[in-house]
Amino acid sequence: AQTVTQSQPEMSVQEAETVTLSCTYDTSESDYYLFWYKQPPSRQMILVIRQEAYKQQNATENRFSVNFQKAAKSFSLKISDSQLGDAAMYFCAYRSKGAQKLVFGQGTRLTINP
Amino acid sequence: EAGVAQSPRYKIIEKRQSVAFWCNPISGHATLYWYQQILGQGPKLLIQFQNNGVVDDSQLPKDRFSAERLKGVDSTLKIQPAKLEDSAVYLCASSPGLSPGEQYFGPGTRLTVT
Repeated sequence: AQTVTQSQPEMSVQEAETVTLSCTYDTSESDYYLFWYKQPPSRQMILVIRQEAYKQQNATENRFSVNFQKAAKSFSLKISDSQLGDAAMYFCAYRSKGAQKLVFGQGTRLTINP
Repeated sequence: EAGVAQSPRYKIIEKRQSVAFWCNPISGHATLYWYQQILGQGPKLLIQFQNNGVVDDSQLPKDRFSAERLKGVDSTLKIQPAKLEDSAVYLCASSPGLSPGEQYFGPGTRLTVT
């Protein structure tokens, strides 16, 4: 079974600075999807960014980018120019290509200091 | 486009009582998911429906949890009888059903069992 590990329970960063959240996963599959979700206090999970394993190019969405290292099974999220609205729980998630369910990590609580 | 709707937002019950949660997915989405999110953890899939059929219920405690999706639209998740360890946020999500379709999450129901 696939597992996802987020080793940083909490992170903090100064507003306008850059922060990187770590995620590792374990799988025997060669084709899959990886996601970062944001969960603010309202509890609604919001997709931040998605990476397809067969694509070598790292995904980017505005201030959010990933560093996908397939051989190392690592998938980190970089947030540039951090804003107060980025404060939330961030979850890394894995999805097999042949399935639709998401396997989530334990989450990282990100605090933005003004 | 309306998002995933869930009700109630909060529920407090005593152990051994029963409770039901309701979810209305985004119109046209064939796949519906129920996740359980215990405090401090990532969401865990309880059950996945494709239209009105069950695709995956391997992690659903079937002795006390049940779910249905009549007519392939909205869904209810029931717990009977509840235990203290059922205290969690119950998230409903839906997706168009086509890989790699994004999952859209509702605001969740926070259940407290006393």
